[in-house]
Amino acid sequence: GAGVSQSPSNKVTEKGKDVELRCDPISGHTALYWYRQSLGQGLEFLIYFQGNSAPDKSGLPSDRFSAERTGGSVSTLTIQRTQQEDSAVYLCASSYTSGERQFFGPGTRLTVL
Amino acid sequence: ILNVEQSPQSLHVQEGDSTNFTCSFPSSNFYALHWYRWETAKSPEALFVMTLNGDEKKKGRISATLNTKEGYSYLYIKGSQPEDSATYLCAPTGGATNKLIFGTGTLLAVQP
Repeated sequence: GAGVSQSPSNKVTEKGKDVELRCDPISGHTALYWYRQSLGQGLEFLIYFQGNSAPDKSGLPSDRFSAERTGGSVSTLTIQRTQQEDSAVYLCASSYTSGERQFFGPGTRLTVL
Repeated sequence: ILNVEQSPQSLHVQEGDSTNFTCSFPSSNFYALHWYRWETAKSPEALFVMTLNGDEKKKGRISATLNTKEGYSYLYIKGSQPEDSATYLCAPTGGATNKLIFGTGTLLAVQP
């Protein structure tokens, strides 16, 4: 079946603009995760959704970052008033349920000029 | 917050060599240990999810062991091939949310 998809694959924006990144998880997967990889850094956890439970937002770096998951499926990560340090590859992953192996999407490369 | 360390940071081997990497993590509040392979220009791919102390998992030429009491896991690759070249990431989970805290990875380069 289809894997995790993300859009756009690349996004170039100007400092101060808002951006929205989209993730379509594998159908039936109840857990959805957002990570990012900044240049020269490892994978950094951002936020995690599990079913209808309140999301774990402990990895969001600032209040400019927010995410939602509508209908338990598609998720949108929003970054307001982007800064150059937000430039990174943003990866989404889903799993059948929490704790199980995660399937990653291809990522969105965000560049803030 | 989980502190995950992986060693070595990078490794260059010849085709046919066997190799291994280490992942160290706090042994308290342990739930599971994930291993992922991340090839350049691709997405991370799950290799193993391990939960039990003493567990050993195998997938082809790749195997992993887990020691939850002392907080480490080893990943072994037997007879390395150029297609094994990738960054190998480990990520323990702890607590109720099962979020993954990734180590910085071991970059493996296999020369033909």
